[in-house]
Amino acid sequence: QVQLQESGPGLVSPSQTLSLSCTVSGDSISSGGYYWGWIRQHPGKGLEWIGYVYSSGSTYYNPSLQSRLKMSLDTSKNQVSLTLRSVSAADTAVYYCARGKRDYDTFDIFSQGTVVTVSS
Amino acid sequence: DIVMTQSPLSLPVTPGEPASISCRSSQNLLHRNGNNYLHWYLQKPGQSPQLLIYLGSNRASGVPDRFSGSGSGADFTLKISRVEAGDVGIYYCLQTLQNPETFGQGTRLEIK
Repeated sequence: QVQLQESGPGLVSPSQTLSLSCTVSGDSISSGGYYWGWIRQHPGKGLEWIGYVYSSGSTYYNPSLQSRLKMSLDTSKNQVSLTLRSVSAADTAVYYCARGKRDYDTFDIFSQGTVVTVSS
Repeated sequence: DIVMTQSPLSLPVTPGEPASISCRSSQNLLHRNGNNYLHWYLQKPGQSPQLLIYLGSNRASGVPDRFSGSGSGADFTLKISRVEAGDVGIYYCLQTLQNPETFGQGTRLEIK
């Protein structure tokens, strides 16, 4: 059974960098047929697509975040990482990592989510 | 960006009764390969989203056959044949045809 678990700071200061990791168990992030990404949910709001990364390293980012965003895979740790630079209060949200299935062309499994607050 | 519009935004339903949620996109989601790049998710209270339907009409693993997805192009529907108490939550449609992938604003299903 595939499980995803995020880790990272719950509080980030404005203008600093947010770094989150997502550890995958029950599957290898290098296995074909899947990709790995993130979505977020602002307080009391709907869902926002952030982007994803293939095992090849190819990335697809939301253009609204692209200039500040980086996603990568660490196959040695079986982790997916997200780095978001120059954060502001608008980046306060619950962040979910997710597995995407190529045959479905969408995310099929999500983590429990981690709350990130941007505040001084 | 492709805009996804759901209706209704709130849906009170009596247990055992059917329910229907509409999702309309600002652009055609039917690819030349025949797939509609439209998916449905349910976010139960306090939980992460779960996939219900992928590529317009395919139920994800473990999803009861009470749930069905239909539609093509820019007009899609999620139907629940008989609502149960455990179906409460917010239902979202998502298009993955074009970057950025975009969600609908969500439909809150509640039990009467």
